[in-house]
Amino acid sequence: ETGVTQTPRHLVMGMTNKKSLKCEQHLGHNAMYWYKQSAKKPLELMFVYSLEERVENNSVPSRFSPECPNSSHLFLHLHTLQPEDSALYLCASSQDSTHPLGYEQYFGPGTRLTVT
Amino acid sequence: LAKTTQPISMDSYEGQEVNITCSHNNIATNDYITWYQQFPSQGPRFIIQGYKTKVTNEVASLFIPADRKSSTLSLPRVSLSDTAVYYCLVGPTDKLIFGTGTRLQVFP
Repeated sequence: ETGVTQTPRHLVMGMTNKKSLKCEQHLGHNAMYWYKQSAKKPLELMFVYSLEERVENNSVPSRFSPECPNSSHLFLHLHTLQPEDSALYLCASSQDSTHPLGYEQYFGPGTRLTVT
Repeated sequence: LAKTTQPISMDSYEGQEVNITCSHNNIATNDYITWYQQFPSQGPRFIIQGYKTKVTNEVASLFIPADRKSSTLSLPRVSLSDTAVYYCLVGPTDKLIFGTGTRLQVFP
């Protein structure tokens, strides 16, 4: 248990569906992150939020839409995804987004997404 | 970018000490070195972080020489459960790029 939870743990969706991934952290942290990990590929940083403001967007397609309503919750809204978007989506939090604290991150268990 | 280089894989046996070295020749003055561990289908787990010399916690030690161009993660007396991928990150310069890491396989 890292203090970061993600739901659902598994998700299968069609290319025309709309779904959302949820992340919640119970650590009192101020920064939250979304990562994507495809099979046999390194982790890719998608978004960074600090105090509910998006501070980084790493050229992620608009079919992925993040939302951070407060410092404890982070969502990733998905719509019209492609099969190549199938991956493990990981949420993380850290005390702060600036270094070095931003590099001490605590990850959730991930959501295994399959797009059919 | 402070590009890091790690061995792709390492093998060890239970009870041995394992040292994984990371090269980061272009490390910047304000960069810290951070190591993570990842098991299959799980999120990475923070292990240790340091700036210079030696850092030790209940899990591992991190050795950083004076020139800071490399670092070594030391895992004392590994067990089968230490089989995982280990990532070295240098930041903030590398902007949270995890790379391919070092796959450690521990045998009985």
